[in-house]
Amino acid sequence: QKEVEQNSGPLSVPEGAIASLNCTYSDRGSQSFFWYRQYSGKSPELIMFIYSNGDKEDGRFTAQLNKASQYVSLLIRDSQPSDSATYLCAVNRDSSYKLIFGSGTRLLVRP
Amino acid sequence: GAVVSQHPSRVICKSGTSVKIECRSLDFQATTMFWYRQFPKQSLMLMATSNEGSKATYEQGVEKDKFLINHASLTLSTLTVTSAHPEDSSFYICSARVRTGGQPQHFGDGTRLSIL
Repeated sequence: QKEVEQNSGPLSVPEGAIASLNCTYSDRGSQSFFWYRQYSGKSPELIMFIYSNGDKEDGRFTAQLNKASQYVSLLIRDSQPSDSATYLCAVNRDSSYKLIFGSGTRLLVRP
Repeated sequence: GAVVSQHPSRVICKSGTSVKIECRSLDFQATTMFWYRQFPKQSLMLMATSNEGSKATYEQGVEKDKFLINHASLTLSTLTVTSAHPEDSSFYICSARVRTGGQPQHFGDGTRLSIL
């Protein structure tokens, strides 16, 4: 079992819709959770991070964390074609600050 | 803020060459920097953790004698791929963590290494 699992996609949504990206992790002691966006050929850019159970909102993005279910998700409201990218879920297990990445979900927003 | 600069952005060289990649934190001090490698259509794999003033910590399966890491200051870490071979061709990305507070890692733009 991979430590961080994501559906590879592609997830295709129409412009203006809500895109829902999901991630599960295996280590129950994981402490911090991150969502990065990566365009093809580019390095990842941080979208959001979350530490506590519940929702965290930033603009069009909402991160949701459920530690009991070992599940973290990212919602993108009013999806735009420019949101088309690969979204990487990353988990920090301990005080070493090392990140374990999922394989990413490719999102395609159709105009 | 939290800008990480990586240089060069692209390298093409012959097999057997050693290649040095620099990672700089431009507007903050980074106690810890991380080096990742990403093969096409795969996710980022952590290679090593670079700590200022001490030896790097390598992940399992990463050859420390092949991938030399130096973290001489709070703003600079270097990765040297020694005697590179075609199988070392990959996208190498560094990240840095702000020294005080601030958990998230900020990534450099990456270096695409192609060994002929």
